[in-house]
Amino acid sequence: AQSVAQPEDQVNVAEGNPLTVKCTYSVSGNPYLFWYVQYPNRGLQFLLKYITGDNLVKGSYGFEAEFNKSQTSFHLKKPSALVSDSALYFCAVRDLSDGGATNKLIFGTGTLLAVQP
Amino acid sequence: DGGITQSPKYLFRKEGQNVTLSCEQNLNHDAMYWYRQDPGQGLRLIYYSQIVNDFQKGDIAEGYSVSREKKESFPLTVTSAQKNPTAFYLCASSTAGSRTDTQYFGPGTRLTVL
Repeated sequence: AQSVAQPEDQVNVAEGNPLTVKCTYSVSGNPYLFWYVQYPNRGLQFLLKYITGDNLVKGSYGFEAEFNKSQTSFHLKKPSALVSDSALYFCAVRDLSDGGATNKLIFGTGTLLAVQP
Repeated sequence: DGGITQSPKYLFRKEGQNVTLSCEQNLNHDAMYWYRQDPGQGLRLIYYSQIVNDFQKGDIAEGYSVSREKKESFPLTVTSAQKNPTAFYLCASSTAGSRTDTQYFGPGTRLTVL
């Protein structure tokens, strides 16, 4: 079965420090991976995606993610955290169990990032 | 959130009532999706539609219904058969036909059962 896991419910980091939000996945075939951010009572905003090619993907707001095939991980990173980065972060993987016919996404349970001033 | 609108932002339902959540997009996307978000459970797919006049059940379709009469619109009805409808509902859209496509989300509707 295709799945994605976010092992940390919450990540705390001091402003200015680097941050990492973890994501691991399980798929059959090539993975198509996404990161979204959600601010309170708002919809999800797309940050970045991995399709193929370079293992380091750069996205919006200074975020990047590192794809690691051997560890089946797609961790979200930022070199210097801002208080305004505090939000709920979701990792998602394309569901290919139907051959990709429907472009469905499977979401992790989310990680709350808290950046302290 | 640009390009996808959801209304209302907040909705209150009495027991036994059906309510309809609106989702409109002006991105010229073929595919549209409805997700339900509950605390600690991430997003779960309710229904999706790849083209007009066609839609499929997602993982938690029981107690919900949809229609797709226009490309721009994908309303969701929460029926009285849905036993626990209090949740945050998110609509999304994407171009269809490619597994690399990105889904873009609306601002959401928070439904509360009184």
